[in-house]
Amino acid sequence: ETGVTQTPRHLVMGMTNKKSLKCEQHLGHNAMYWYKQSAKKPLELMFVYSLEERVENNSVPSRFSPECPNSSHLFLHLHTLQPEDSALYLCASSQGDRGSYGYTFGSGTRLTVV
Amino acid sequence: GENVEQHPSTLSVQEGDSAVIKCTYSDSASNYFPWYKQELGKGPQLIIDIRSNVGEKKDQRIAVTLNKTAKHFSLHITETQPEDSAVYFCAASLTNSGYALNFGKGTSLLVTP
Repeated sequence: ETGVTQTPRHLVMGMTNKKSLKCEQHLGHNAMYWYKQSAKKPLELMFVYSLEERVENNSVPSRFSPECPNSSHLFLHLHTLQPEDSALYLCASSQGDRGSYGYTFGSGTRLTVV
Repeated sequence: GENVEQHPSTLSVQEGDSAVIKCTYSDSASNYFPWYKQELGKGPQLIIDIRSNVGEKKDQRIAVTLNKTAKHFSLHITETQPEDSAVYFCAASLTNSGYALNFGKGTSLLVTP
């Protein structure tokens, strides 16, 4: 256990479904991130939240909607996804900013869109 | 934006040998370079990092070197063990972001007994 917990670990959803991914950290970090990990591609930054404020939205389709209600929780709401959205979704947190502190990653949610 | 290239994509070594993974980055203003190890079914874990004011850093069997002029950095693992088998990612800080890291594509390391 790294201190960053993601649920569920696995998720299969149809293209018309709505689901949410959850991330929780109790490390006292003040920044949280969503990354998408696909086979043979670099980790793709999706969203960054610092002190509960979204500071980065890396041209992600609107079918992905993040929410950060407090500094310990981060959600990724999913709706009308496409099969190409199947991937491992990783949440991470860090202390500080300017990318100068190492991330702590969760174990990820393996998402399959059918 | 930042572009991080990582080589090789796969690496197989015998137990006890050394392994070297190399990365290059494009943004000369990047100042933080971490390395992550990802085991099957887990998220990436930070194993070592280096900042731009340092040329080399070592932690037991792993070391990282940084050449700012050439904009490349490398991970060195000595006396490899089967449990070192995993996917390794390099990353560089995104200076225009202020918060995020840009990752290489990863190197799948296999250490055979």
